[in-house]
Amino acid sequence: ELKVEQNPLFLSMQEGKNYTIYCNYSTTSDRLYWYRQDPGKSLESLFVLLSNGAVKQEGRLMASLDTKARLSTLHITAAVHDLSATYFCAVDSGGGADGLTFGKGTHLIIQP
Amino acid sequence: GAGVSQTPSNKVTEKGKYVELRCDPISGHTALYWYRQSLGQGPEFLIYFQGTGAADDSGLPNDRFFAVRPEGSVSTLKIQRTERGDSAVYLCASSLDRNTGELFFGEGSRLTVL
Repeated sequence: ELKVEQNPLFLSMQEGKNYTIYCNYSTTSDRLYWYRQDPGKSLESLFVLLSNGAVKQEGRLMASLDTKARLSTLHITAAVHDLSATYFCAVDSGGGADGLTFGKGTHLIIQP
Repeated sequence: GAGVSQTPSNKVTEKGKYVELRCDPISGHTALYWYRQSLGQGPEFLIYFQGTGAADDSGLPNDRFFAVRPEGSVSTLKIQRTERGDSAVYLCASSLDRNTGELFFGEGSRLTVL
């Protein structure tokens, strides 16, 4: 059974600081996705990582994938309040028709 | 519409009642997924359709849950004899095809069973 673990689960940080969210998963996969969810809203796709070593950046967010370590990171640079949200990573176990397996999410609060 | 549409956005029902939740995917998306999200948790996979057929229903918790997609577009998730533990947000997502992988989610249907 594929397990996806995120840490930290809660993070409060100040504007202007840098931080990294980690996503570990338990079985081989080369497809990993990051989503953002605002309170009461649905999930917004942020990044699609489809190969080992993939790195993608959008604004102050950068995501990377290391399939050998079964690890993805979401790095936040010079955080701003608008980035406050819950961030989920999700892994595609591949080889079949299963849906994505999601982590529990990282609840991020960025304070002025 | 441009995105995945789900109705109703909120549903309050009594224990033991039957409910239907509807999902209208992005036009042209052949893959459709249902997920359930409980408070403070990530979405949990329920069922996946490729076209009209349920390609994987391994996430359905028990036989009170059923979903259909008769014409390969709109899907309905049906829950019989609802229980309080069924209370959650039910999310629908669609994808251009299974190989693309990226899912586009609707706003969800919040189900509350009293």
